[in-house]
Amino acid sequence: KQEVTQIPAALSVPEGENLVLNCSFTDSAIYNLQWFRQDPGKGLTSLLLIQSSQREQTSGRLNASLDKSSGRSTLYIAASQPGDSATYLCAVPGAGSYQLTFGKGTKLSVIP
Amino acid sequence: GAGVSQSPRYKVAKRGQDVALRCDPISGHVSLFWYQQALGQGPEFLTYFQNEAQLDKSGLPSDRFFAERPEGSVSTLKIQRTQQEDSAVYLCASSFGTGGPYTQYFGPGTRLLVL
Repeated sequence: KQEVTQIPAALSVPEGENLVLNCSFTDSAIYNLQWFRQDPGKGLTSLLLIQSSQREQTSGRLNASLDKSSGRSTLYIAASQPGDSATYLCAVPGAGSYQLTFGKGTKLSVIP
Repeated sequence: GAGVSQSPRYKVAKRGQDVALRCDPISGHVSLFWYQQALGQGPEFLTYFQNEAQLDKSGLPSDRFFAERPEGSVSTLKIQRTQQEDSAVYLCASSFGTGGPYTQYFGPGTRLLVL
Protein backbone atom coordinates (compact mmCIF):
# COMPACT_ATOMS: atom_id res chain seq x y z
CA LYS A 1 0.00 0.00 0.00
CA GLN A 2 1.37 3.39 -1.00
CA GLU A 3 2.24 5.67 1.91
CA VAL A 4 3.21 9.32 1.59
CA THR A 5 5.13 11.19 4.27
CA GLN A 6 5.76 14.92 4.43
CA ILE A 7 8.41 16.57 6.53
CA PRO A 8 8.28 18.92 8.35
CA ALA A 9 4.67 19.00 9.54
CA ALA A 10 4.95 22.75 10.09
CA LEU A 11 7.44 25.41 9.10
CA SER A 12 7.72 29.09 9.95
CA VAL A 13 10.10 31.34 8.01
CA PRO A 14 10.71 35.08 7.66
CA GLU A 15 9.60 36.75 4.45
CA GLY A 16 12.13 36.56 1.63
CA GLU A 17 13.69 33.28 2.69
CA ASN A 18 14.04 30.35 0.30
CA LEU A 19 12.64 27.07 1.63
CA VAL A 20 12.29 23.39 0.80
CA LEU A 21 9.39 21.08 1.59
CA ASN A 22 9.96 17.33 1.49
CA CYS A 23 7.77 14.45 0.39
CA SER A 24 8.59 10.74 0.39
CA PHE A 25 6.60 7.77 -0.88
CA THR A 26 7.01 4.04 -0.34
CA ASP A 27 6.11 2.63 -3.77
CA SER A 28 8.33 4.08 -6.48
CA ALA A 29 6.16 2.67 -9.29
CA ILE A 30 4.39 5.95 -9.86
CA TYR A 31 3.92 7.78 -13.11
CA ASN A 32 3.41 11.24 -11.69
CA LEU A 33 3.42 13.29 -8.49
CA GLN A 34 1.42 16.41 -7.71
CA TRP A 35 1.93 19.23 -5.29
CA PHE A 36 -1.16 21.03 -4.01
CA ARG A 37 -1.79 24.09 -1.90
CA GLN A 38 -4.67 24.28 0.59
CA ASP A 39 -5.75 27.52 2.24
CA PRO A 40 -7.77 27.35 5.48
CA GLY A 41 -11.36 26.41 4.81
CA LYS A 42 -10.69 26.02 1.12
CA GLY A 43 -10.23 23.21 -1.36
CA LEU A 44 -6.98 22.14 -2.97
CA THR A 45 -5.23 24.05 -5.75
CA SER A 46 -2.88 22.11 -7.99
CA LEU A 47 0.54 23.76 -8.13
CA LEU A 48 2.71 21.38 -10.13
CA LEU A 49 2.38 17.95 -11.70
CA ILE A 50 5.60 16.08 -12.48
CA GLN A 51 5.49 13.11 -14.81
CA SER A 52 7.73 10.16 -13.93
CA SER A 53 9.87 10.89 -16.99
CA GLN A 54 10.63 14.38 -15.68
CA ARG A 55 13.11 15.33 -13.00
CA GLU A 56 11.88 18.88 -12.42
CA GLN A 57 8.92 21.14 -13.02
CA THR A 58 8.88 24.89 -12.51
CA SER A 59 6.14 27.47 -12.14
CA GLY A 60 7.15 30.98 -11.18
CA ARG A 61 8.88 30.89 -7.78
CA LEU A 62 8.08 27.19 -7.34
CA ASN A 63 10.30 24.33 -8.41
CA ALA A 64 9.45 20.69 -7.79
CA SER A 65 11.86 17.82 -8.24
CA LEU A 66 11.20 14.09 -8.41
CA ASP A 67 13.58 11.21 -7.72
CA LYS A 68 11.55 8.07 -8.29
CA SER A 69 14.31 5.65 -7.41
CA SER A 70 14.70 7.06 -3.94
CA GLY A 71 10.98 7.77 -3.48
CA ARG A 72 11.42 11.46 -2.86
CA SER A 73 10.17 14.80 -4.09
CA THR A 74 10.96 18.32 -2.97
CA LEU A 75 9.11 21.58 -3.45
CA TYR A 76 11.39 24.60 -3.48
CA ILE A 77 9.85 28.03 -2.88
CA ALA A 78 12.06 30.99 -3.70
CA ALA A 79 11.82 34.39 -2.02
CA SER A 80 8.87 33.42 0.16
CA GLN A 81 6.01 35.90 0.69
CA PRO A 82 3.28 36.10 3.37
CA GLY A 83 0.78 35.08 0.67
CA ASP A 84 2.57 31.74 0.41
CA SER A 85 1.27 30.83 3.89
CA ALA A 86 -0.86 27.71 3.46
CA THR A 87 -0.69 23.94 3.80
CA TYR A 88 1.22 22.18 1.03
CA LEU A 89 0.28 18.61 0.15
CA CYS A 90 1.96 16.14 -2.13
CA ALA A 91 0.06 13.28 -3.74
CA VAL A 92 0.78 10.26 -5.92
CA PRO A 93 -1.59 7.94 -7.79
CA GLY A 94 -2.86 5.13 -5.56
CA ALA A 95 -3.50 1.47 -6.19
CA GLY A 96 -6.08 2.11 -8.87
CA SER A 97 -3.78 4.56 -10.62
CA TYR A 98 -6.53 7.18 -10.75
CA GLN A 99 -7.22 8.11 -7.14
CA LEU A 100 -4.60 10.11 -5.27
CA THR A 101 -2.81 9.15 -2.07
CA PHE A 102 -1.88 12.23 -0.06
CA GLY A 103 0.59 13.09 2.63
CA LYS A 104 -0.60 14.93 5.73
CA GLY A 105 0.85 18.17 4.45
CA THR A 106 3.30 20.82 5.62
CA LYS A 107 1.77 23.93 7.16
CA LEU A 108 3.84 26.90 6.06
CA SER A 109 3.78 30.29 7.76
CA VAL A 110 5.72 33.16 6.19
CA ILE A 111 6.23 35.95 8.69
CA PRO A 112 6.28 39.53 7.34
CA GLY B 1 -18.60 28.93 -13.12
CA ALA B 2 -15.37 27.43 -14.37
CA GLY B 3 -14.47 25.42 -11.28
CA VAL B 4 -15.81 22.54 -9.24
CA SER B 5 -18.58 23.63 -6.90
CA GLN B 6 -19.94 21.89 -3.83
CA SER B 7 -22.98 22.47 -1.67
CA PRO B 8 -23.67 23.01 1.08
CA ARG B 9 -20.38 24.48 2.23
CA TYR B 10 -21.19 23.70 5.85
CA LYS B 11 -23.55 21.16 7.33
CA VAL B 12 -24.36 20.47 10.95
CA ALA B 13 -26.23 17.25 11.57
CA LYS B 14 -27.47 15.51 14.66
CA ARG B 15 -26.21 11.98 15.12
CA GLY B 16 -28.50 9.60 13.27
CA GLN B 17 -29.61 12.08 10.61
CA ASP B 18 -29.13 11.47 6.91
CA VAL B 19 -27.19 14.03 4.86
CA ALA B 20 -26.67 14.61 1.14
CA LEU B 21 -23.66 16.44 -0.26
CA ARG B 22 -23.66 17.73 -3.82
CA CYS B 23 -20.81 18.15 -6.30
CA ASP B 24 -20.95 19.98 -9.64
CA PRO B 25 -17.82 19.07 -11.61
CA ILE B 26 -16.23 21.09 -14.36
CA SER B 27 -18.35 20.73 -17.50
CA GLY B 28 -17.08 17.96 -19.75
CA HIS B 29 -14.95 16.27 -17.12
CA VAL B 30 -15.28 12.53 -17.36
CA SER B 31 -13.81 11.54 -14.01
CA LEU B 32 -15.19 12.48 -10.61
CA PHE B 33 -13.72 11.67 -7.21
CA TRP B 34 -14.84 12.03 -3.61
CA TYR B 35 -12.32 12.36 -0.80
CA GLN B 36 -12.70 12.67 2.97
CA GLN B 37 -10.33 14.93 4.90
CA ALA B 38 -10.20 14.66 8.69
CA LEU B 39 -8.76 17.53 10.70
CA GLY B 40 -4.98 17.71 10.33
CA GLN B 41 -4.86 14.90 7.78
CA GLY B 42 -4.50 14.66 4.05
CA PRO B 43 -7.55 13.79 1.95
CA GLU B 44 -8.40 10.09 1.69
CA PHE B 45 -10.03 8.53 -1.35
CA LEU B 46 -13.65 7.46 -1.06
CA THR B 47 -14.98 6.67 -4.53
CA TYR B 48 -14.44 7.22 -8.27
CA PHE B 49 -16.85 7.70 -11.18
CA GLN B 50 -16.10 7.53 -14.88
CA ASN B 51 -19.11 9.26 -16.42
CA GLU B 52 -22.09 7.67 -14.66
CA ALA B 53 -20.31 4.44 -13.79
CA GLN B 54 -18.99 4.03 -10.25
CA LEU B 55 -15.79 2.13 -10.94
CA ASP B 56 -14.32 2.11 -7.46
CA LYS B 57 -15.99 2.50 -4.09
CA SER B 58 -13.30 0.78 -2.08
CA GLY B 59 -12.68 3.84 0.11
CA LEU B 60 -16.22 4.22 1.41
CA PRO B 61 -15.90 3.60 5.18
CA SER B 62 -19.17 1.74 5.64
CA ASP B 63 -22.42 0.82 3.96
CA ARG B 64 -23.89 4.01 5.39
CA PHE B 65 -22.05 5.88 2.63
CA PHE B 66 -23.53 5.94 -0.84
CA ALA B 67 -22.58 7.95 -3.92
CA GLU B 68 -24.21 8.39 -7.29
CA ARG B 69 -23.73 10.26 -10.55
CA PRO B 70 -26.80 9.25 -12.54
CA GLU B 71 -26.32 11.43 -15.62
CA GLY B 72 -22.56 11.57 -15.64
CA SER B 73 -22.32 15.13 -14.39
CA VAL B 74 -23.58 16.14 -10.92
CA SER B 75 -22.76 13.73 -8.12
CA THR B 76 -24.28 13.27 -4.67
CA LEU B 77 -22.63 11.68 -1.66
CA LYS B 78 -25.17 10.47 0.86
CA ILE B 79 -24.42 9.48 4.42
CA GLN B 80 -27.12 7.66 6.31
CA ARG B 81 -27.48 7.59 10.09
CA THR B 82 -24.54 9.94 10.59
CA GLN B 83 -22.07 9.24 13.38
CA GLN B 84 -19.65 11.61 15.10
CA GLU B 85 -16.71 9.98 13.33
CA ASP B 86 -18.20 11.12 10.02
CA SER B 87 -17.28 14.71 10.91
CA ALA B 88 -14.79 15.82 8.26
CA VAL B 89 -14.42 17.88 5.12
CA TYR B 90 -15.72 16.10 2.04
CA LEU B 91 -13.90 17.12 -1.12
CA CYS B 92 -15.00 16.50 -4.66
CA ALA B 93 -12.59 16.57 -7.60
CA SER B 94 -12.95 16.15 -11.34
CA SER B 95 -10.56 15.57 -14.20
CA PHE B 96 -10.86 15.74 -17.96
CA GLY B 97 -9.75 12.23 -18.80
CA THR B 98 -9.42 8.89 -17.15
CA GLY B 99 -6.40 7.50 -15.41
CA GLY B 100 -3.55 9.22 -13.68
CA PRO B 101 -1.91 11.77 -15.95
CA TYR B 102 -4.77 14.22 -15.76
CA THR B 103 -4.77 16.95 -13.14
CA GLN B 104 -7.57 16.70 -10.62
CA TYR B 105 -9.41 19.94 -9.89
CA PHE B 106 -10.86 20.19 -6.41
CA GLY B 107 -13.94 21.94 -5.10
CA PRO B 108 -13.98 23.96 -1.85
CA GLY B 109 -15.37 21.05 0.12
CA THR B 110 -18.32 20.53 2.43
CA ARG B 111 -17.47 20.73 6.12
CA LEU B 112 -19.69 18.25 7.98
CA LEU B 113 -20.07 18.39 11.74
CA VAL B 114 -22.05 15.65 13.42
CA LEU B 115 -23.18 16.44 16.97
